[in-house]
Amino acid sequence: KQEVTQIPAALSVPEGENLVLNCSFTDSAIYNLQWFRQDPGKGLTSLLLIQSSQREQTSGRLNASLDKSSGRSTLYIAASQPGDSATYLCAALSNSGYALNFGKGTSLLVTP
Amino acid sequence: GAVVSQHPSWVICKSGTSVKIECRSLDFQATTMFWYRQFPKQSLMLMATSNEGSKATYEQGVEKDKFLINHASLTLSTLTVTSAHPEDSSFYICSARSGLAGGNTQYFGPGTRLTVL
Repeated sequence: KQEVTQIPAALSVPEGENLVLNCSFTDSAIYNLQWFRQDPGKGLTSLLLIQSSQREQTSGRLNASLDKSSGRSTLYIAASQPGDSATYLCAALSNSGYALNFGKGTSLLVTP
Repeated sequence: GAVVSQHPSWVICKSGTSVKIECRSLDFQATTMFWYRQFPKQSLMLMATSNEGSKATYEQGVEKDKFLINHASLTLSTLTVTSAHPEDSSFYICSARSGLAGGNTQYFGPGTRLTVL
């Protein structure tokens, strides 16, 4: 079964900093990998979806990379803002799987 | 496009009662729907997968007689928590996937928060 790990579990940075969230997965034969944002008590907001044939995806200040050989993905957030404070979840869909497997998330706090 | 809704968004019930949660794909046909559960400060754990017109497949450790799943149409799946107890209190999130070519993207509902007293 695909196991997804996210480091760090929590992160606090001052506004304006660039930051990197890490995600690792055990089964490198993935179909796609997705990053989500979750605000407290709310559902999931999809941020970026990377197909297995892609190495990165960008949306605004967000950039996600995928390295299947090492089983890693990173989410880069540029010029962080207090509104970026949330939990960020990484999820991977294996070629042999049928549903996304989620990591435990990184709780991000951006202070003014 | 690709909107998934859930109803209700939150529910409070007494111990021993049953609660039904609906998941609908509003603008696409979902051949497969998934139900996840999320405990506070934990990740989403897959409970079961259902394909339209067939029985759901439950993950190890999930009681199928307690969590009844029905996927009777291509746009609706329901999860019924039978004889709910306080330990069933959780955030339940459904996800739907289109059967179209290249449709391996899962779209998520907004979640239902269940509190059992």
